[in-house]
Amino acid sequence: GDSVTQMEGPVTLSEEAFLTINCTYTATGYPSLFWYVQYPGEGLQLLLKATKADDKGSNKGFEATYRKETTSFHLEKGSVQVSDSAVYFCALPFSGGYNKLIFGAGTRLAVHP
Amino acid sequence: GAVVSQHPSWVICKSGTSVKIECRSLDFQATTMFWYRQFPKQSLMLMATSNEGSKATYEQGVEKDKFLINHASLTLSTLTVTSAHPEDSSFYICSASRGSGDEQYFGPGTRLTVT
Repeated sequence: GDSVTQMEGPVTLSEEAFLTINCTYTATGYPSLFWYVQYPGEGLQLLLKATKADDKGSNKGFEATYRKETTSFHLEKGSVQVSDSAVYFCALPFSGGYNKLIFGAGTRLAVHP
Repeated sequence: GAVVSQHPSWVICKSGTSVKIECRSLDFQATTMFWYRQFPKQSLMLMATSNEGSKATYEQGVEKDKFLINHASLTLSTLTVTSAHPEDSSFYICSASRGSGDEQYFGPGTRLTVT
């Protein structure tokens, strides 16, 4: 069945460090792929998305490229800030329809000054 | 645009009582709303999908008689946790979608504590 696998956290970085959070997926066909971010005590916000192979989604300095060869959608940022501290979720739509989303386990990022 | 609110943002109730959580789409009509449960430091677990005017579809393992979902209008869905117990304490998040092919917009979540 469809699934999403994320690297385990927490990830702890110093400010201005380079960030990579790995995400791989198993799915039927070529679904859209999403990264959501959850700041402490809040709901989820869509960070970026890609709708087809080789697309690059980007927002707020974050990027992720849809790689169908490796079934991956890794999240990257060149220089993280303390304000990026949050939990990041990779997700894809359930192939069964109804717009249901399948989420990865989430990766907690802590950025220190 | 595409703002979703939840009320209350947090609630404490006694064991055995029922509590209702509201999810509203403030600036769009939501054909479909979803309810998720999130345990501390874990991912979101989809509980149920509701389409306006019809019965909710519950995921496997979710007790429909315990978690009552109503989606009576295109801007409001409610989740009622009946006869709450401490193990129901969790962070409940709703999301709303305009329909097939549209993305989900998430509410800020409701933290429920059952004492």
